[in-house]
Amino acid sequence: GAVVSQHPSRVICKSGTSVKIECRSLDFQATTMFWYRQFPKQSLMLMATSNEGSKATYEQGVEKDKFLINHASLTLSTLTVTSAHPEDSSFYICSARDHLPGGGSYNEQFFGPGTRLTVL
Amino acid sequence: KNEVEQSPQNLTAQEGEFITINCSYSVGISALHWLQQHPGGGIVSLFMLSSGKKKHGRLIATINIQEKHSSLHITASHPRDSAVYICAVIGEKLTFGTGTRLTIIP
Repeated sequence: GAVVSQHPSRVICKSGTSVKIECRSLDFQATTMFWYRQFPKQSLMLMATSNEGSKATYEQGVEKDKFLINHASLTLSTLTVTSAHPEDSSFYICSARDHLPGGGSYNEQFFGPGTRLTVL
Repeated sequence: KNEVEQSPQNLTAQEGEFITINCSYSVGISALHWLQQHPGGGIVSLFMLSSGKKKHGRLIATINIQEKHSSLHITASHPRDSAVYICAVIGEKLTFGTGTRLTIIP
């Protein structure tokens, strides 16, 4: 299957600082990327959907000014956690949807390995 | 009630046993993912299916659209199969089940 990478795999930062997480589709073009967060022993929660070249669509309850998403190319999306606080500590996972010409039917999502963020 | 329910929540079995994990959903879907999440956190897509049955190695996934039910089977289970298995349905967006934590004991 297609490969999605995330960088960094884990990051520890001080409260009040900003952290950027990169998500790349390595061998396919992804018009749509998704950002999820996962708390221990819980399911993935969709934070936002990012389409290349346009503004991200945030899920209810997710602060768009705190979680800045940029999808500048078909292979790269970034999530910046601004002014991080300890409650932002979580596992952040991105996924990318393969783009097939013509659209129509659903295309499979491929998941990145995740980034574990710890805010002290 | 969750839109996607998995059972069991936890499953411990001996190496070699045949494993079945079930997923029931209550929404209309176009397809369904079975995902595997290892302790390190990374998620691997095992299957995406919209009808019938798919097989990959020791893994088999089936889906019955009319009954809104899917199963994931693992034959000849091995300790390396220990992971959380997540069912995710594709409707307006991807909706995840709460996962099944599988532990295979040598």
